[in-house]
Amino acid sequence: EIVLTQSPGTLSLSPGERATLSCRASQSVSSSYLAWYQQKPGQAPRLLIYGASSRATGIPDRFSGSGSGTDFTLTISRLEPEDFAVYYCQQYGSSPASFTFGPGTKVDIK
Amino acid sequence: EVQLVESGGGLVQPGGSLRLSCAASGFTFSSYDMHWVRQATGKGLEWVSAIGTAGDTYYPGSVKGRFTISRENAKNSLYLQMNSLRAGDTAVYYCARLSGDEYYFDYWGQGTLVTVSS
Repeated sequence: EIVLTQSPGTLSLSPGERATLSCRASQSVSSSYLAWYQQKPGQAPRLLIYGASSRATGIPDRFSGSGSGTDFTLTISRLEPEDFAVYYCQQYGSSPASFTFGPGTKVDIK
Repeated sequence: EVQLVESGGGLVQPGGSLRLSCAASGFTFSSYDMHWVRQATGKGLEWVSAIGTAGDTYYPGSVKGRFTISRENAKNSLYLQMNSLRAGDTAVYYCARLSGDEYYFDYWGQGTLVTVSS
């Protein structure tokens, strides 16, 4: 079973700053099977990035994803007040079929 | 507009059972794989179960043998039958749609809270 690790656990930044979030897999993951979600308190997760680097519908271009193999990154180029939230990466494994989430990175206001 | 609305959560004693429902609208329900994902208070997301368009089902080891996912396409509804519930099953349970092209969740419901406690 593939385990996802996210770092840092908490990222304290100011609006306008750049955020770089890491997701590391215990073994190689197909880029097609790596996604990122944003979750705000009391809300369901929202899809941000799929296929490691494709933005979901309606997601601003300040959000970008990159990476391959075991190392993936979510970058928020300039933090807006509404971006302070928890971010999760997720991967799909096929043998057996399973879906795994990372533990999350909380981006909070410095 | 795609909508997923969960119901059926509540307080149940350890060892008890509960059935969750998810009402889907705004898309052709029968054409999509559907999933349940849960989240304990203050914790991360955990995948709970999946059902394919052909009715094939998948579970992680933590719930296999205790939980059963099913669907009723004529009613655009997804279900999760949960038996032998434990305190560790306490969480918000989300219904989620798997995208039609790759393995990510493109729509989520707002969740229903299940509390297992005596």
